[in-house]
Amino acid sequence: GQNIDQPTEMTATEGAIVQINCTYQTSGFNGLFWYQQHAGEAPTFLSYNVLDGLEEKGRFSSFLSRSKGYSYLLLKELQMKDSASYLCAVSGGSYIPTFGRGTSLIVHP
Amino acid sequence: GAVVSQHPSWVICKSGTSVKIECRSLDFQATTMFWYRQFPKQSLMLMATSNEGSKATYEQGVEKDKFLINHASLTLSTLTVTSAHPEDSSFYICSASHPLGEGRDTQYFGPGTRLTVL
Repeated sequence: GQNIDQPTEMTATEGAIVQINCTYQTSGFNGLFWYQQHAGEAPTFLSYNVLDGLEEKGRFSSFLSRSKGYSYLLLKELQMKDSASYLCAVSGGSYIPTFGRGTSLIVHP
Repeated sequence: GAVVSQHPSWVICKSGTSVKIECRSLDFQATTMFWYRQFPKQSLMLMATSNEGSKATYEQGVEKDKFLINHASLTLSTLTVTSAHPEDSSFYICSASHPLGEGRDTQYFGPGTRLTVL
């Protein structure tokens, strides 16, 4: 089976940087995904990591350490519209991702 | 590219009736689609994997006779909630596999269908 753990809620200030952590235990590993989900909407794809290291995509970066079962999503220059739930999902041996509960990020002025 | 649509976006029905939800990949072909259910402030729970031209694979605890899935073409999968009850009220989301490159896939999600059973 798979177990994914991420903080329930985080708050940050507009313009700041925030790091959302995700730890996982999985049998087999075929990649880790981050999705953004605004309230009442479906998730949208942000990033995919399968090798160790940092993947940068604009204001968002995602890091993976397979040996530690650890990933983080880094959001820079936070904007109010970044207030959303961020879902960590791990693809194990079956290639079908299992989703964590999500981290609700609140950005305040 | 990689747009997935869902219809209807919301539906209210009476207890005991059946509701059909459609999921379409608009600009790509999806051999595999997934159906999720999400309760408020909860994670996405995978209900079933839908493969074009074959029977769906249901997750443990999901009644296949209650949640009927049909993946009749490479761009359309349907979920029918039969004899709906108030506890079936939830946000139902479909997704379709799309290539990321290098033999990897990601999922693109439909906008979701909010079902309320009275």
